[in-house]
Amino acid sequence: AQTVTQSQPEMSVQEAETVTLSCTYDTSENNYYLFWYKQPPSRQMILVIRQEAYKQQNATENRFSVNFQKAAKSFSLKISDSQLGDTAMYFCAFVNTNAGKSTFGDGTTLTVKP
Amino acid sequence: GAVVSQHPSWVICKSGTSVKIECRSLDFQATTMFWYRQFPKQSLMLMATSNEGSKATYEQGVEKDKFLINHASLTLSTLTVTSAHPEDSSFYICSARDPTSGSGNEQFFGPGTRLTVL
Repeated sequence: AQTVTQSQPEMSVQEAETVTLSCTYDTSENNYYLFWYKQPPSRQMILVIRQEAYKQQNATENRFSVNFQKAAKSFSLKISDSQLGDTAMYFCAFVNTNAGKSTFGDGTTLTVKP
Repeated sequence: GAVVSQHPSWVICKSGTSVKIECRSLDFQATTMFWYRQFPKQSLMLMATSNEGSKATYEQGVEKDKFLINHASLTLSTLTVTSAHPEDSSFYICSARDPTSGSGNEQFFGPGTRLTVL
């Protein structure tokens, strides 16, 4: 079974600064996907960024980027130029290519301070 | 992007009654849908995987007779909480996979349903 660990229950950052959220996972699979989701106070889950395990290049989406270390089974999310609207709970998720089910980490609550 | 809706967005019911929650994929056909339960400030807990035209696959510890799942069409899955009790009060979220999307394993989430059992 896969496990996903987010070791930072809560984090805060000043507006316009950079913050990194950590995520590690454990799996014996070789083909899988990794995701970061954002859940704002509305509780709607929003996809932030996606990484395919077979791709060595780190994914980037505007201010969001990941540091994917496959051998270390690490998948951290970097948010640059933090904005007040980034305040939310962030979940790291692992998806096995075959099973299709998602395994979520416990989440990190991020607060962006003005 | 693909859109998933849920109805109702919130519901209050009396203990002992049943409540049905609908999950619809609005602009794609979803062969697989997932049902999650989330407590405040906690992670999403997968309850079951719903496959169109077949029985749902429940996760360990989830009572299939209490949480009835039906996936009768490619755009609709329903979760019925039978004989609800206060401990069933929670936030229920559905998601759906769009097999035609660039990433076949991406899940699109509904907005959730807040259930309160009195």
